[in-house]
Amino acid sequence: DIQMTQSPSSLSAFVGDRVTITCRASQGIRNSLGWFQQKPGKAPKSLIYDASRLQSGVPSKFSGSGSGTEFTLTINSLQPEDFATYYCQQYGSYPYTFGPGTKVDIK
Amino acid sequence: EVQLVESGGGLVQPGGSLRLSCVASGFTFSDHYMDWVRQAPGKGLEWVGRIRNKANSHTTEYAASVKGRFTISRDDSKNSLYLQMNSLQTEDTAMYYCARGHHSFDYWGQGTLVTVSS
Repeated sequence: DIQMTQSPSSLSAFVGDRVTITCRASQGIRNSLGWFQQKPGKAPKSLIYDASRLQSGVPSKFSGSGSGTEFTLTINSLQPEDFATYYCQQYGSYPYTFGPGTKVDIK
Repeated sequence: EVQLVESGGGLVQPGGSLRLSCVASGFTFSDHYMDWVRQAPGKGLEWVGRIRNKANSHTTEYAASVKGRFTISRDDSKNSLYLQMNSLQTEDTAMYYCARGHHSFDYWGQGTLVTVSS
């Protein structure tokens, strides 16, 4: 199985900051990677697919990059509604696997 | 508007069975792969399994942790996805989400809670 790791596991940031989260796959997955945002008590929301493509309706402040084994999610100009947990997920091969999550909270 | 609505969760004893349902609307259900994803309380996300569309013969994939115990099926005439869970264990306690398997998992339901406890 492909193992996904994320760093950092948590971070504190100010409103207006730019933050970057890194996701690594234990083997190459080309660009078969998605990013999700989850707020407490809510279902995950898809932000990005194919490593860098924005889901419909997702603001352009979110961006993704990378291929192979290393990927990043960048959030520009952090707003109060962006404080959440972010997960990466690979769909390059079965079983699909998620990273452990990165919790972004307010400094 | 795409909507996915899960139901069927509840409290079940270890060794018991439960069937979850997910009703879809707002898109052509029969065209799409569908997935189940779960989340144990306070934990991360775990993919449970997938069922492909009719064009791909409704074939399925499962996580090792549920293979042989869980079965995913669908009824395209009812726009419905199912998860039959047998031999449930305490570690199966989780919120279960259905998701559309397009462009990763582009739409999710609100989830249904399954609690396995004696």
